[in-house]
Amino acid sequence: TQLLEQSPQFLSIQEGENLTVYCNSSSVFSSLQWYRQEPGEGPVLLVTVVTGGEVKKLKRLTFQFGDARKDSSLHITAAQPGDTGLYLCAGASGRTSYDKVIFGPGTSLSVIP
Amino acid sequence: EAQVTQNPRYLITVTGKKLTVTCSQNMNHEYMSWYRQDPGLGLRQIYYSMNVEVTDKGDVPEGYKVSRKEKRNFPLILESPSPNQTSLYFCASSFLTSGGAYEQYFGPGTRLTVT
Repeated sequence: TQLLEQSPQFLSIQEGENLTVYCNSSSVFSSLQWYRQEPGEGPVLLVTVVTGGEVKKLKRLTFQFGDARKDSSLHITAAQPGDTGLYLCAGASGRTSYDKVIFGPGTSLSVIP
Repeated sequence: EAQVTQNPRYLITVTGKKLTVTCSQNMNHEYMSWYRQDPGLGLRQIYYSMNVEVTDKGDVPEGYKVSRKEKRNFPLILESPSPNQTSLYFCASSFLTSGGAYEQYFGPGTRLTVT
């Protein structure tokens, strides 16, 4: 059974601080995605990474896919209150055909003004 | 506006009373999924569909049924709901990007309580 673990589970920081959250698995994924979910809403896709070692930047957010495609990290620079939310990673094994998607349990981030 | 819609958004029902949660997408996506989200367990896939009349089980399919008669609609059916199906449900539609990954777009969620 494929599992994705995320750490930390909860994170509360002051506005302006930097942070990194991690997504780890013993399984290899063909692609990995990060989502942000706000209370009462569905997850919103932030980024997809498909190549081992790939780094993608989205304004103050930097995403990295591990070389072995088993893990990923999300780094936020100078966090703002608008970054508050639940960050989910999701891995997919399928490449040429649609396959099951596995979600991690999430990291709940609170940025205090 | 590209979107995934779900109805109802909130539902309280009693054990054994059949219910259907509808899901519709206007993006012409081939792939659609249903998830449930529970505290401490995260999002778990119930069923997914690769195209019209093609569906398959996810990780937690017991107690649920789906159908895909049209590309845009993917209803979730609970024939005999039980209290352990109390949860937050999300529908998602997906497409295959040129980079070889499936990107998902989620609906707003349906909060179901079974008493």
